[in-house]
Amino acid sequence: AQSVTQLGSHVSVSEGALVLLRCNYSSSVPPYLFWYVQYPNQGLQLLLKYTTGATLVKGINGFEAEFKKSETSFHLTKPSAHMSDAAEYFCAVSDENNAGNMLTFGGGTRLMVKP
Amino acid sequence: DTEVTQTPKHLVMGMTNKKSLKCEQHMGHRAMYWYKQKAKKPPELMFVYSYEKLSINESVPSRFSPECPNSSLLNLHLHALQPEDSALYLCASSHPGTSLYEQYFGPGTRLTVT
Repeated sequence: AQSVTQLGSHVSVSEGALVLLRCNYSSSVPPYLFWYVQYPNQGLQLLLKYTTGATLVKGINGFEAEFKKSETSFHLTKPSAHMSDAAEYFCAVSDENNAGNMLTFGGGTRLMVKP
Repeated sequence: DTEVTQTPKHLVMGMTNKKSLKCEQHMGHRAMYWYKQKAKKPPELMFVYSYEKLSINESVPSRFSPECPNSSLLNLHLHALQPEDSALYLCASSHPGTSLYEQYFGPGTRLTVT
């Protein structure tokens, strides 16, 4: 069975500071990994995904994530936080054996950005 | 068009009412999903349709009844709901058969059961 752990349900950074949101996963087969963002009263929007190939993945809004197999991690980073980045962030895992395309979500991390 | 639309945006219903949620996409996706999301929690999968057939039902109570009338539409019929069913209901779509493709989410319907 797959699982996802997001360390830190709340993360607070100052505007312009580095954003680091942590995600660790467990999977018995090579995983597919996703980061989604959810703004208040909205649906989820895909930030980036890793399936195969390059382990450093760049996404929208200046975010990137690095797949580290040895650490079973897929942490999300952004060099400089903006006020508009304040939202809930979900890491999710799936894999090629998952014919139903089911995602396993982490518990989410609420990012707060201070002016 | 990479949009999934959901109507209504908000719904308040009594425990004896019957209502329906609607979801629509025109991306040619043949997999569609219903999720339930409680406050401060991740989405929980309820149903998956693949090629208009119900492929996954995550042990959802029968007061929730999904329907996929065609490849673009997904409905969720609601009847005799309980207050604990109040939540944000999200629809999503994707290419079917592999998790290689991401799911696209709609904005959700905020349901309140009184």
